[in-house]
Amino acid sequence: LAKTTQPISMDSYEGQEVNITCSHNNIATNDYITWYQQFPSQGPRFIIQGYKTKVTNEVASLFIPADRKSSTLSLPRVSLSDTAVYYCLVGSSGSARQLTFGSGTQLTVLP
Amino acid sequence: AAGVIQSPRHLIKEKRETATLKCYPIPRHDTVYWYQQGPGQDPQFLISFYEKMQSDKGSIPDRFSAQQFSDYHSELNMSSLELGDSALYFCASSPPTLQGKEGYTFGSGTRLTVV
Repeated sequence: LAKTTQPISMDSYEGQEVNITCSHNNIATNDYITWYQQFPSQGPRFIIQGYKTKVTNEVASLFIPADRKSSTLSLPRVSLSDTAVYYCLVGSSGSARQLTFGSGTQLTVLP
Repeated sequence: AAGVIQSPRHLIKEKRETATLKCYPIPRHDTVYWYQQGPGQDPQFLISFYEKMQSDKGSIPDRFSAQQFSDYHSELNMSSLELGDSALYFCASSPPTLQGKEGYTFGSGTRLTVV
């Protein structure tokens, strides 16, 4: 399972765009990159998943360079309610799979 | 939309007692995962089941066991509880194949407190 490295914490202000970068140097060919958001005492919530290039959905964008050794989660115009821990996970979509959580990034959005 | 249901939400047990946590996955999800999250820690993978068979095993103590039933719900059985077992226990489920637009869906968790 690929190990991931993220910043421990980040601060931002309301209305700003936030980019959280994750390093996964030993990502395997069949691995996807998935980001989760977790609020205190709640289960992690799926944000976005990608394999290469760029993926965008209603809440975020995910940028993956050609070598796939890193990825960047982009949250546009954050609000106070986006304060949470964000996890980057790397794993395959095979039938015997698991998610291994590394140390996430505590994002704090300030007014 | 249906979500992953976990019960109970809260559980208080004494040391050396046993506890059973239940997880009901999203309909048509065939894989269930169990995670343990201690205070201030990241979720740690315990065990997973695919089509009622154990598929992966993580850092699950020998005092814990789990199974997935014919209706795909899963139960985590914990015996000889220790104070260090106090944590949030999450269950997640996923469909047979992740299509790139979906991830695992987590339940709201069971908070176990061992006193």
